[in-house]
Amino acid sequence: QVTLRESGPALVKPTQTLTLTCSFSGFSLNTYGMCVNWFRQPPGKALEWLAHIDWEDDKYYSRSLKTRLTISKDTSKNQVVLTMTNMDPVDTATYFCTRVRSVETDMVLDYWGQGTLVTVSS
Amino acid sequence: EIVLTQSPGTLSLYPGERATLSCRASQSVSSRCLAWYQHKPGQAPRLLVYGTSNRAAGIPDRFSGSGSGTDFTLTISRLEPEDSAVYYCQQYDKSPRTFGLGTKVEIK
Repeated sequence: QVTLRESGPALVKPTQTLTLTCSFSGFSLNTYGMCVNWFRQPPGKALEWLAHIDWEDDKYYSRSLKTRLTISKDTSKNQVVLTMTNMDPVDTATYFCTRVRSVETDMVLDYWGQGTLVTVSS
Repeated sequence: EIVLTQSPGTLSLYPGERATLSCRASQSVSSRCLAWYQHKPGQAPRLLVYGTSNRAAGIPDRFSGSGSGTDFTLTISRLEPEDSAVYYCQQYDKSPRTFGLGTKVEIK
């Protein structure tokens, strides 16, 4: 059974760095075709892709947020960590981690965590 | 990036009725790369359909997907009370993956 769970602070101050951890079970990021992606959804707005890390440790970032994001994995702990620097109130959102896996030639997002609401406020 | 427009915004129907949810893309999307998700409050979103018409494991056959090019549809053939949720389409043909704003299905 695949599960993912996001953890991190519910409240951060402007200019601070946000660190979110995705703890997962039921798969390994050492396995071919397995990836973890982060998304966020501001209140009332669309889901936005943030970052990707895969079994080969390849990393990709949202073009608009690239300079602020870092994604990393600890395969021994089955965790993926996302950091976002210089937080701003517009970054207030529910942050989701997800599993993406290779299905033939395509990458299907098949499992989500419940999400964690992060509010940026002084 | 590809913009997905979902309609209607809200659908209010009785149990047993048929729900038809639309997802229109701003440019053509490979039919291999269109998925639908169900999201209930307080729960993790759940994959329903991938590759336009492939049901994910454990998804009841009352959920079906169809479409091609820029127009895709999720049909719930006989609504049940537990189908009350927000439904999102997502394309993974072109980076970045993008989602529609969702259709809220309410069961009367």
